Amino acid sequence: GAGVSQTPSNKVTEKGKYVELRCDPISGHTALYWYRQSLGQGPEFLIYFQGTGAADDSGLPNDRFFAVRPEGSVSTLKIQRTERGDSAVYLCASSAKGRITEAFFGQGTRLTVV
Amino acid sequence: AQRVTQPEKLLSVFKGAPVELKCNYSYSGSPELFWYVQYSRQRLQLLLRHISRESIKGFTADLNKGETSFHLKKPFAQEEDSAMYYCALFNTGGFKTIFGAGTRLFVKA
Repeated sequence: GAGVSQTPSNKVTEKGKYVELRCDPISGHTALYWYRQSLGQGPEFLIYFQGTGAADDSGLPNDRFFAVRPEGSVSTLKIQRTERGDSAVYLCASSAKGRITEAFFGQGTRLTVV
Repeated sequence: AQRVTQPEKLLSVFKGAPVELKCNYSYSGSPELFWYVQYSRQRLQLLLRHISRESIKGFTADLNKGETSFHLKKPFAQEEDSAMYYCALFNTGGFKTIFGAGTRLFVKA
């Protein structure tokens, strides 16, 4: 594709439900990042993948959050037992060289937990 | 603690006026600082980085280690500069980029 694609663009879910957010990086990009942006805040780092492995998952807020990238391309961010505080825009970025400054961002998925 | 502070949530200036978006940081080491921009309905994108010492779209930013600041400046604002601007610090010991809360710049005609 032409850029980083995130689906869905919007997701509304009920408190307690499970959600999956998908990121399709630019073809050939080995590095992939997930960020969360709450209202009125800047993006907050969640996790970084280099290839299939999570090189840094220190930003995941708790064990309800999990992300995978089984084939080193598409990544899925999974949130269990969603809470209203999880409502945010979830951003994905990918880069060829592993540096966020050379990364391209997706449009984000707006998650609303009601 | 590593932190990026943008004290202004909103900055409104007239077209042709100078603009300065403030950014202060806290980092124990040699930081790499950046500015990102997000235009309306567009994706977040890198504007400039302090290492490059470049001018992009007329914007410049100088890293002042003594004042721990990295303010973004432009001598003559244009309407198309209206956007959300984020100052960011790259953790050279890892892979994280720490973003400030952002400043919305509104350039009035």
